[in-house]
Amino acid sequence: AQTVTQSQPEMSVQEAETVTLSCTYDTSESDYYLFWYKQPPSRQMILVIRQEAYKQQNATENRFSVNFQKAAKSFSLKISDSQLGDAAMYFCAYRSAVEGGGADGLTFGKGTHLIIQP
Amino acid sequence: KAGVTQTPRYLIKTRGQQVTLSCSPISGHRSVSWYQQTPGQGLQFLFEYFSETQRNKGNFPGRFSGRQFSNSRSEMNVSTLELGDSALYLCASSQDRSHSYEQYFGPGTRLTVT
Repeated sequence: AQTVTQSQPEMSVQEAETVTLSCTYDTSESDYYLFWYKQPPSRQMILVIRQEAYKQQNATENRFSVNFQKAAKSFSLKISDSQLGDAAMYFCAYRSAVEGGGADGLTFGKGTHLIIQP
Repeated sequence: KAGVTQTPRYLIKTRGQQVTLSCSPISGHRSVSWYQQTPGQGLQFLFEYFSETQRNKGNFPGRFSGRQFSNSRSEMNVSTLELGDSALYLCASSQDRSHSYEQYFGPGTRLTVT
């Protein structure tokens, strides 16, 4: 079974600065997807960014970018120009790309609580 | 396009009762997944449905069941409720592999068992 580890329970950053959230995962599969989700106090899970394992290029979505290191099984999220609205729990998630697979659906890490200091 | 909707949003039940939660996916999405979120266990996968068939199931007891209808709407049922079933239940829909299995979540149903 796959596992996802987020080693930072909480992170704090000054508004307008850059912060990086860490995520490592363990899998024996070669084809998979990785995601970062944001869960603000409203509890609504919001997809932030995704990465396909077969792609070497790191995904970018506006102020959000990832550093995907497949060999190291590392998938960190960088948030640039942090804004107050970025404050939330951030979850890293793994999904198998095996057709009909994904027996565990999305496997989530425990989350990182991101605090934005004004 | 409307997002994923879940009803009810809040629910209070007594131990031993049963409960049914409902999820309506984004229009055009054929896959629906359910997750349980608790402070202790985090987010855990319950099951996934695609075109009315259960495709995958997480490690939960048989008291947890679900189904999907022809319009892709899904329900999950929990029988003989236990205190430990108190949680936020999240439903997510996706189109499938062509969209990298991106899952879009509903607002959740907060279940409290007393």
